[in-house]
Amino acid sequence: EVQLVESGGGLVQPGGSLRLSCAASGFTVSSNYMSWVRQAPGKGLEWVSVIYSGGSTYYADSVKGRFTISRHNSKNTLYLQMNSLRAEDTAVYYCASLRGYPGWFDPWGQGTLVTVSS
Amino acid sequence: QSVLTQPPSVSGAPGQRVTISCTGSSSNIGAGYDVHWYQQLPGTAPKLLIYGNSNRPSGVPDRFSGSKSGTSASLAITGLQAEDEADYYCQSYDSSLSWVFGTGTKVTVL
Repeated sequence: EVQLVESGGGLVQPGGSLRLSCAASGFTVSSNYMSWVRQAPGKGLEWVSVIYSGGSTYYADSVKGRFTISRHNSKNTLYLQMNSLRAEDTAVYYCASLRGYPGWFDPWGQGTLVTVSS
Repeated sequence: QSVLTQPPSVSGAPGQRVTISCTGSSSNIGAGYDVHWYQQLPGTAPKLLIYGNSNRPSGVPDRFSGSKSGTSASLAITGLQAEDEADYYCQSYDSSLSWVFGTGTKVTVL
């Protein structure tokens, strides 16, 4: 069974940093297109970033220059390094596999909550 | 930030048919990119419901169906059930090199 489990969320002050992790089982992160999607409290879904199997990375304009997506192949884990955090980055962050191209997101992890507040 | 527009809410009695529209533009749906749909039950992660405009993943009831035309797409739920009460999102790709989601629609079963 394919499963994605996020961790690393929490409370951080504005301007601070946080690294999210997404551990995969049942499939290989490095062989798939992997993405992060976030959802602010009570709001809709917003695509954040993608890393292709070849290593290319892309970001939403709202996080470009502040967030970095990466993966650790031997740990079969996806990461999102978030720097210079702002209040508007407060959201549940989901990792998801991107199927097809440009494709759809499936499966999704359970999400991890990031709260940016002083 | 959502570039795909959905109605905020739709409702129907058990057994009825409801439809959810998803309106985009010439840079996403109208450019030929496929539309996909997700169901998000309260307090849970989104789940893929329809992919490639009209395809159902294994395990999704055939009460759910999708279609696309021009710059819009639709999700139909026939034989509405209490368990269908959830938020629904459409998703596509935009020529600005980003994946885009709809504004979301809350389905209420009366």
